[in-house]
Formats: sequence, C-alpha cells, structure tokens
Amino acid sequence: EAQVTQNPRYLITVTGKKLTVTCSQNMNHEYMSWYRQDPGLGLRQIYYSMNVEVTDKGDVPEGYKVSRKEKRNFPLILESPSPNQTSLYFCASISFGTSGRQYFGPGTRLTVT
Amino acid sequence: GQQVMQIPQYQHVQEGEDFTTYCNSSTTLSNIQWYKQRPGGHPVFLIQLVKSGEVKKQKRLTFQFGEAKKNSSLHITATQTTDVGTYFCAGLSSNDYKLSFGAGTTVTVRA
Repeated sequence: EAQVTQNPRYLITVTGKKLTVTCSQNMNHEYMSWYRQDPGLGLRQIYYSMNVEVTDKGDVPEGYKVSRKEKRNFPLILESPSPNQTSLYFCASISFGTSGRQYFGPGTRLTVT
Repeated sequence: GQQVMQIPQYQHVQEGEDFTTYCNSSTTLSNIQWYKQRPGGHPVFLIQLVKSGEVKKQKRLTFQFGEAKKNSSLHITATQTTDVGTYFCAGLSSNDYKLSFGAGTTVTVRA
C-alpha cells in the first residue's frame, strides 16, 4: 500500500530541547516536502527535496533543518524548538508522473511549552 | 515570492445548493492541484490541472484552470453532507518547484 508515515504523531516538548520528526515513503518518489498547518494560514512549505542530497527552503524554513540521505526518508529537525513552532506538521511526497499526486502523511501535532 | 490567494475562507451551504471556491496566484503556475481535508485528517489529493484553460470533472466537482495559468476554481453542485471539509488549492511554481497552498475554504453544510 502506497503510504507516507510520520513519527511521532503527537509530541509535547519544552523550549530548546532538540527533536526530530521522521518521515518515510514507500513509493520511490523523488520529491518530498514538509509543511506546517496553522489556523487561517493553510499549509506553508518549510523545506522540500527534489532528490537525495538536494534540499531547498520553502516559505517558512527558519528554525528547521532537514536532510535527505536516502530517497525514502526526509526527517525534520528542530534544533532548538520555540513555542511559535507549535503546529500541525505534514510530510508529503509527490509523483511527478501523469497525475502529480502529492501523498500526505497523517500529521504530527507538536506542542512546545 | 509566489503567493496563492483563496476565497472565500468559509462557505456555509444549504444541502443541495451549489458553491464555488476560487484561487489566484501572483505568478504563472506550472500546474495547480486541489486537495480536500476532512476535520482531523490530512489533505487528500483530488486533481491536478496542467493545461491552460483546462476543465476537469469528478462527479459533482468541476475544476477549471485559467487561460493565463494564474487562477483556478472548484465548483461543487448539489452539495451533500459528505462534502464537508476544507478545500485547498496548491500552485506549483514554474521557476523553482515550490508548491504554495492557498489558505483553504472550509465548507459546512446545513441539512
């Protein structure tokens, strides 16, 4: 079954404590992306990756890091989380074939106190 | 940078009525995609439009891509309670492959 998995699904942490949200896809997609979703703002792209070892900033990259060492994995790293990073995070991967369909993970709800 | 504006933000619809949500981009798009997110869920891909002036239908949903590839619309006819959710458009920049989402239209249906 084609899917994007994220872990953890829920996380409560404190300011400054480094954390990583993992993302993995089983569809051999080149393009992967991270978004945050906040009320009234829709989905905003944090980082994206066109392929292994290729990453680019999206619209809101400050405070985040990513890596793409393998095609299937695209972890999101918060080196020093702050309360304004409390949000719902989605990982996604895209098939740039005929449909261009983007598959989303189930989401990670992060709270930083 | 590229911006995608989506209106209206909220749409309260009587069951059986039609409604339309609109997206406008500040720049020309390579393609535009539409997604639906149910409450508590994740966005689910509905469709992608690539060609200038393209029109696609999925049952009661009609999607259009503008001639200039800068705007798009989603029209739903005979709204049902199953249509409840937030509909997002997302435009892919032709320059740098950034995907920019509109803020979404949240639809509620009165039975």
